[in-house]
Parts: sequence; C-alpha cells; structure tokens
Amino acid sequence: KAGVTQTPRYLIKTRGQQVTLSCSPISGHRSVSWYQQTPGQGLQFLFEYFSETQRNKGNFPGRFSGRQFSNSRSEMNVSTLELGDSALYLCASSPVDVAKNIQYFGAGTRLSVL
Amino acid sequence: KNEVEQSPQNLTAQEGEFITINCSYSVGISALHWLQQHPGGGIVSLFMLSSGKKKHGRLIATINIQEKHSSLHITASHPRDSAVYICAVSWGGSNYKLTFGKGTLLTVNP
Repeated sequence: KAGVTQTPRYLIKTRGQQVTLSCSPISGHRSVSWYQQTPGQGLQFLFEYFSETQRNKGNFPGRFSGRQFSNSRSEMNVSTLELGDSALYLCASSPVDVAKNIQYFGAGTRLSVL
Repeated sequence: KNEVEQSPQNLTAQEGEFITINCSYSVGISALHWLQQHPGGGIVSLFMLSSGKKKHGRLIATINIQEKHSSLHITASHPRDSAVYICAVSWGGSNYKLTFGKGTLLTVNP
C-alpha cells in the first residue's frame, strides 16, 4: 500500500499570497488530519476531515481552511500569508479516528513565507 | 486547560543504555500516542495505547491511567534511535484531534 503523499514538498511564497497544499491518504483511510509544526509552538492541530466533513478544528484563524474530496484526498488553503505561517505542514490519515487507530503521517510540506 | 508535559527535553545517552522518556497529561484521555520524528521531518507512529503496556522490538510503552502518566522505554539504545520523541493525547469528546507535548530530543552516541 502506498503511504500518505503530500505535495508539494517545498514551497516559497511571499506575504499576502495564498497557498494550497495537497494530501493523498492511504487507500481506504477516510480520516485526514492536518498539523502545523514550528520551532516555537511545536506540533499543533489544524483540522480533521472524515467523509468530506470537517469534524474538528484547532485554534487557527479563518485564513486556514481545508476540504476533503469524495476519494478522501484533502487540501488545505492558507490565504493572505504571514511570515509566521512559515512552518512544516503535516497531514496524517487513519481509518476512523485517533482514539481507535494510529495515524500515518506524510513527509510534510515545508512552507517558507518571505 | 488540557496540557501534555514531556521530560526530559533533551537526553544524551551512550550506545547500549536503557532510555526512559516520560509524558504527563492533565485530564482523562481516550488514547495516548508515541511518535518518532527524525531530522528532515518524517513522523512515524510508534504506539497508540489507552491502558497497560505495549512492546515492539526494543521499544516499550506503558501508561498509568490513575497517575495520568506514560513512559517510553528504549532498551539497548543505538545511534539510529537518535530522534525527537513526541507524546500526543486525544481527549473524550475530541477524539478527532491530537494535542502534543513539546518532544524529547534523544541523542545516542556510539
């Protein structure tokens, strides 16, 4: 089985731009979660999707949004980029939810905002 | 406020030593995860547990629900175990998200 695939691996953007990141989960996994990792804050939960519905959302501003498609692939979008959005963005998939299954992580997308 | 505390923040060991990393949390949980992150970013899930003890190779994870505490042990440590180890938990009604500790940077010297 192929693992979790995130594209692109690296991105450089400037302040004010918007960006879309993509995540393809392991085949058969319906839950996709997104996380932001920074040196200062560590790993933080962004949101989780299951069967095209957002089930939970972290404490991030509305500039951060996401969606999930019928094939379970997910995208996250960040609008009006700020310098502080520079981070490693990770997605993870699991069959159901994190209380019942381990999560499988992608390699991440490293976003640099200049 | 739900919090996850890990200790130590940094740990240096000699090859072959027994390693223990600790994780404490503030309220009752649904599940606790131990994750490993190597330089470059890739994260691997090592264990998910809600009670008792799990073992995989040289890695052992235990959890004490009453004391709200978990430990990750590495026996016969090896330089390839050098990584950041992260504890994460999910709580009751928030089974769809993880809250993370700050991580423990482990360096095993040959």
